[in-house]
Amino acid sequence: QSALTQPPSASGSPGQSVTISCTGTSSDVGGYDYVSWYQQHPGKAPKLMIYEVTKRPSGVPDRFSASKSGNTASLTVSGLQAEDEAAYYCSSFAGSNNWVFGGGTKLTVL
Amino acid sequence: QVQLVQSGAEVKKPGSSVKVSCKVSGGTFSRYAFTWVRQAPGQGLEWMGGIIPIFGTAKYAEKFQGRVTITADESTSTTYMELSSLKSEDTAVYYCARDMTTWFDPWGQGTLVTVSS
Repeated sequence: QSALTQPPSASGSPGQSVTISCTGTSSDVGGYDYVSWYQQHPGKAPKLMIYEVTKRPSGVPDRFSASKSGNTASLTVSGLQAEDEAAYYCSSFAGSNNWVFGGGTKLTVL
Repeated sequence: QVQLVQSGAEVKKPGSSVKVSCKVSGGTFSRYAFTWVRQAPGQGLEWMGGIIPIFGTAKYAEKFQGRVTITADESTSTTYMELSSLKSEDTAVYYCARDMTTWFDPWGQGTLVTVSS
């Protein structure tokens, strides 16, 4: 199972919006509405930010939103804040009890 | 509030095995499933496999089939991941996480496993 494709980096100034893409195939992202997004600060464990493509867990700011079209999922961070600077990973169910992650995107707040 | 606390860092020789534990508190262990994910230095996340303790059934990523064993002990609310025939490329931080069927949350703090001669 190949990793999902994410841009290695993204950036934006405070207050701006940034969108991170996550491209897979019809066997994973395109085949199931089970895409999730995780935020990881350096030296820390990943934290769930989005699940089932568009849903936000309790406690996650509504500045974080996500969507999916075909084989590509996207995470948008609006009103960028300094604490949003982190790595972001997408994940998708890939059938037969398999899961696949993206390579990660390092978000820099300029 | 479910919390997952993992065992400490390990240094292993190539060819040996490592067993990482993940103790669960704050919830009913038997109601959950658990997954294991690893992250090599400076790299992305990689799913290794998972287990449903109440059924005792484990599933593994094809890449790790035959080399990884995931188990669970309900009496101690702990899940374990054992990786054998270690190679230098297995040097990574290993995470456990609660598997909510379609997402993983929360995660343990991670366990660094270093494979070096």
